Parts: sequence; C-alpha cells; structure tokens
Amino acid sequence: GENVEQHPSTLSVQEGDSAVIKCTYSDSASNYFPWYKQELGKRPQLIIDIRSNVGEKKDQRIAVTLNKTAKHFSLHITETQPEDSAVYFCAALSGAGSYQLTFGKGTKLSVIP
Amino acid sequence: ETGVTQSPTHLIKTRGQQVTLRCSSQSGHNTVSWYQQALGQGPQFIFQYYREEENGRGNFPPRFSGLQFPNYSSELNVNALELDDSALYLCASISRNKDTQYFGPGTRLTVL
Repeated sequence: GENVEQHPSTLSVQEGDSAVIKCTYSDSASNYFPWYKQELGKRPQLIIDIRSNVGEKKDQRIAVTLNKTAKHFSLHITETQPEDSAVYFCAALSGAGSYQLTFGKGTKLSVIP
Repeated sequence: ETGVTQSPTHLIKTRGQQVTLRCSSQSGHNTVSWYQQALGQGPQFIFQYYREEENGRGNFPPRFSGLQFPNYSSELNVNALELDDSALYLCASISRNKDTQYFGPGTRLTVL
C-alpha cells in the first residue's frame, strides 16, 4: 500500500519568514495530493491540493509543488503569520478501487511573533 | 465550514462496550470515508462507503463496522472496545470527482 513520509515533524519560524514542509510517497499510482491544516481540537481543514497532471499550484500565500518522478511534494507558506501556527498534514490518494487518503505524521508549525 | 456533521462530539466508554458514531455528509456527496486519528498522529483510513456498500477497508479488525443509509449519512460501529480505540474519529464527505475530501468535526472517543 501507499506510504507517506513527512518532514520536519516540528518547524519554528519568525513571523514574516517562509515555511516549507516536504513529503514523499511510495505508490506511483497515487494521483491526488491534498494538504490539511489542523488546529488544536479541530477538524483537518483542506488548504490546498494538487493533482498529478500539474507541477505547481498557488493560492495567495500558499503554494504546493509536485515532482512525480521523484515522488515528492512540498508545501510552501510565505509571509507567515501567527495564525498559520497549527499542525499540517500531507496526504496521497490511492485511486485503486477505493479512494483512501494516506496521511503523513504531521508537521507542527509555530510562527513566532 | 464543510457541511459535514458528526455526533456525538465526545463519548466515554469502558473496555468491552460497543459504540456507534454518526456522520451526515455534505449535500450531494454519495461517498463517505471514516478515519481514526490517535493523539499526535495523522488520520488512518478505516473504510469507505459508496451508495450504501463498503468500498475499501484499511487495516482495522472486523469489530470496526459501518453502514451507509439511502440519504448517504453513515454510521461507524465499534464492538468490544479496547483502550487503544481511544482517538478522534473523523468522517470525510467525498466530492463527486472522488478525490476532494471534507472532514467533519470528529467524535472524541475515550475508552477507560
């Protein structure tokens, strides 16, 4: 089955700096890669996603890149703000029959004012 | 918000008991997945339902079972509860293109 590795597990940045979180996946058949933000005690919230036919996608301060050959994808947050502090999860969707998401272990991002 | 609701919000059970968790999916979504999220971990796929049939299952024992109803709402049942079943249980409503998944607020289950 699919395996998703996520790094780093914790990340501290100064407000206004950029943050980068990286993930690798193992199943070359995976074709959809969402990123979720989860604040303490709340649901995972979809913040951006990318499909395998696209190399990069941007939404305001957030961007995601995908390298299918190397099987890795990354989340980039620019001009970080204290409200960006949360746990971020990457995931990969295996489309073989059922559409299950396999998640990374998460990155705890702290933005220091 | 996602339009996905779950009940109850919190639940405390003792070992050996049974529990039923409920999920109402987003309007127009006929597929729902259930995930278990242990503290400090990413969500783990339990199973998925499409048009009232199980459509894929993760690495969970048979005492985890589910149902989907004609209105696409869903239940997760767990029998013979164990301490390790303590977790946040999330349901995800899946868009018609079968990839985008929107999570409900979750049910926090504590097994004593």
